[in-house]
Amino acid sequence: GAVVSQHPSWVICKSGTSVKIECRSLDFQATTMFWYRQFPKQSLMLMATSNEGSKATYEQGVEKDKFLINHASLTLSTLTVTSAHPEDSSFYICSAAPGQGHTEAFFGQGTRLTVV
Amino acid sequence: GQNIDQPTEMTATEGAIVQINCTYQTSGFNGLFWYQQHAGEAPTFLSYNVLDGLEEKGRFSSFLSRSKGYSYLLLKELQMKDSASYLCAVKDSNYQLIWGAGTKLIIKP
Repeated sequence: GAVVSQHPSWVICKSGTSVKIECRSLDFQATTMFWYRQFPKQSLMLMATSNEGSKATYEQGVEKDKFLINHASLTLSTLTVTSAHPEDSSFYICSAAPGQGHTEAFFGQGTRLTVV
Repeated sequence: GQNIDQPTEMTATEGAIVQINCTYQTSGFNGLFWYQQHAGEAPTFLSYNVLDGLEEKGRFSSFLSRSKGYSYLLLKELQMKDSASYLCAVKDSNYQLIWGAGTKLIIKP
């Protein structure tokens, strides 16, 4: 199957700093990528849809100025958590699919963010 | 609103069979997915149903009834490594995945 690579796998940062997470589709082009957040024992929650060459679409309740998304190429999307706080500590996962109607979505490995 | 329901937790015995149910109410339907997620890892794809009926893939099978808004994942010959969360997800009319909360499956020897 297709491969999506996410980096870093885990990161610990100080409160108030920013953290960038990268999501790459290694063997296909992805015009759309999705960013999810998952708190312990909870379901995946869609944060935003990243569109190549245009602005991301954010879900209700997600602050676009805090979670900056850049989808500069067909194989790379980045999520930057700005001015991180302990409540932002979570598991962040990206996914992509080669085409809108393609059956399955492929996930990155996920990034465990801990803000201290 | 859109809603996907599945049991929070199930327990089964190694070597046995378990069925995990999923009911959904979404705006449009473009397929139903089952994913497996081990703790601290990303979900991995298990199955996809878009037409009614049973899809079999090795020890795992998935069933769909669109008229009832219902699916189940059937796991046979359970192994300890099958202990994980199983996520049901539906693609809505915008091809966006709507996720269930997941069912934590505990396998006992």
